[in-house]
Amino acid sequence: GESVGLHLPTLSVQEGDNSIINCAYSNSASDYFIWYKQESGKGPQFIIDIRSNMDKRQGQRVTVLLNKTVKHLSLQIAATQPGDSAVYFCAENWAYSGGGADGLTFGKGTHLIIQP
Amino acid sequence: DTGVSQDPRHKITKRGQNVTFRCDPISEHNRLYWYRQTLGQGPEFLTYFQNEAQLEKSRLLSDRFSAERPKGSFSTLEIQRTEQGDSAMYLCASSLGGGPAFFGQGTRLTVV
Repeated sequence: GESVGLHLPTLSVQEGDNSIINCAYSNSASDYFIWYKQESGKGPQFIIDIRSNMDKRQGQRVTVLLNKTVKHLSLQIAATQPGDSAVYFCAENWAYSGGGADGLTFGKGTHLIIQP
Repeated sequence: DTGVSQDPRHKITKRGQNVTFRCDPISEHNRLYWYRQTLGQGPEFLTYFQNEAQLEKSRLLSDRFSAERPKGSFSTLEIQRTEQGDSAMYLCASSLGGGPAFFGQGTRLTVV
């Protein structure tokens, strides 16, 4: 089954508001997670990552929160801008889950729409 | 541009033809990955190299697919006897050790 998924296929927010994109994962042994942004016709762009020994990590206008108890990941984008419109994927790296191989498992993605 | 480079960006081919895609990773990255992405879905893992060694292949990678990374630098992905179901975006990514994977812009394959 799908290891990593997202709760909402589409999220619409007003420009300037904060956005929260959620992700659930099922492999409790996974210990490395990455958020990607993908614009139409382009490859995924790395945003931020977090390892399981952390609960929170901040970047420029973005924060990732990890709740291992409920296997939940979220991406917070502060003061959203039109350029933030894209599909956002969370990905679980199963290299660290004892599987013996390296790679990422992606969910289906959340389409973030910024309303003017 | 020092990012991951993929060539070609677009490829249209007739069913039954062979196609080959190239990926040039970020120069110091020792790991290279191939993914496939269809419309509305997240990328799916196909295969992974550490230097020149191919360490893992997904069950998605049928025997019509072959990937190489002969000198541990660029990689090629070949699809033989293409089928319409092979139409997708083929993404290459690279990473340094266990760090994050950085993706190229992809090669969009259309099989007609």
